[in-house]
Amino acid sequence: AQKITQTQPGMFVQEKEAVTLDCTYDTSDPSYGLFWYKQPSSGEMIFLIYQGSYDQQNATEGRYSLNFQKARKSANLVISASQLGDSAMYFCAMRPDDRGSTLGRLYFGRGTQLTVWP
Amino acid sequence: EADIYQTPRYLVIGTGKKITLECSQTMGHDKMYWYQQDPGMELHLIHYSYGVNSTEKGDLSSESTVSRIRTEHFPLTLESARPSHTSQYLCASRDLRSNSPLHFGNGTRLTVT
Repeated sequence: AQKITQTQPGMFVQEKEAVTLDCTYDTSDPSYGLFWYKQPSSGEMIFLIYQGSYDQQNATEGRYSLNFQKARKSANLVISASQLGDSAMYFCAMRPDDRGSTLGRLYFGRGTQLTVWP
Repeated sequence: EADIYQTPRYLVIGTGKKITLECSQTMGHDKMYWYQQDPGMELHLIHYSYGVNSTEKGDLSSESTVSRIRTEHFPLTLESARPSHTSQYLCASRDLRSNSPLHFGNGTRLTVT
C-alpha cells in the first residue's frame, strides 16, 4: 500500500524567508516519482516540482527545491524567498511507476496550509 | 493557459437530480482521472481511465459513473444527487511518460441541497 504523510497541517513564514514543508512516504515499489502541487484558495491544482526515485540530484525549479532523502523516504519541499502569493495549500504526492494495478495513479498526502505574512 | 477544462465551475442543485460534470482536454492524453476533494482535505481518486472505452473505479467508493467514448472527453455522472455528494470534483490527465505530472482542471464545486 502507498501512503503519504504530511505532518504539518499549517505553516507560517515571513515574506522573503525560506520554508520547508515536510513529506514522508511509504512504498514497497523500487521505482516511483514524487510530486508537489500547490492549491491556492481558488481551488486549482498547480504542479510545482518532480523527483524520480533514481534521480541522483535533488530537483530544483526556480524558488522550489526538493530535499530528497531516499533512505529516509522523505521528500521535503523547500521554498526560498517566500512571497505573499505563495500562501496556499501544498500537497505532496507519489506515483509508483506505471505497471500492474497501480497504472500510474497518484497518491496524495493531506496537505500543508502555508501562510506567508508581510 | 488551461488545456483541461471543467464545466460547470460551480453547481448548486436539489436532491435527486441527475447531473453530469464535464471534463475535456486538448493534449491528447490517454490517461484521465477524477478526484474528489472536501475543503482543506486530501484528494481521493474516484475514477480513472487508460484510454477510450476503458474505465476503472478508484479508492473512494462513489455512486458516480464515468464514460470515455472519446480520448479528449471524460464526463462524470451522478444519477441521483444527495447532500453527501457536496464536494469539489477535480479532473486531471497525463501522458504516458513516467515523470509526467497530472494536469488538473479548475474543478467543479458541487453543492447538493
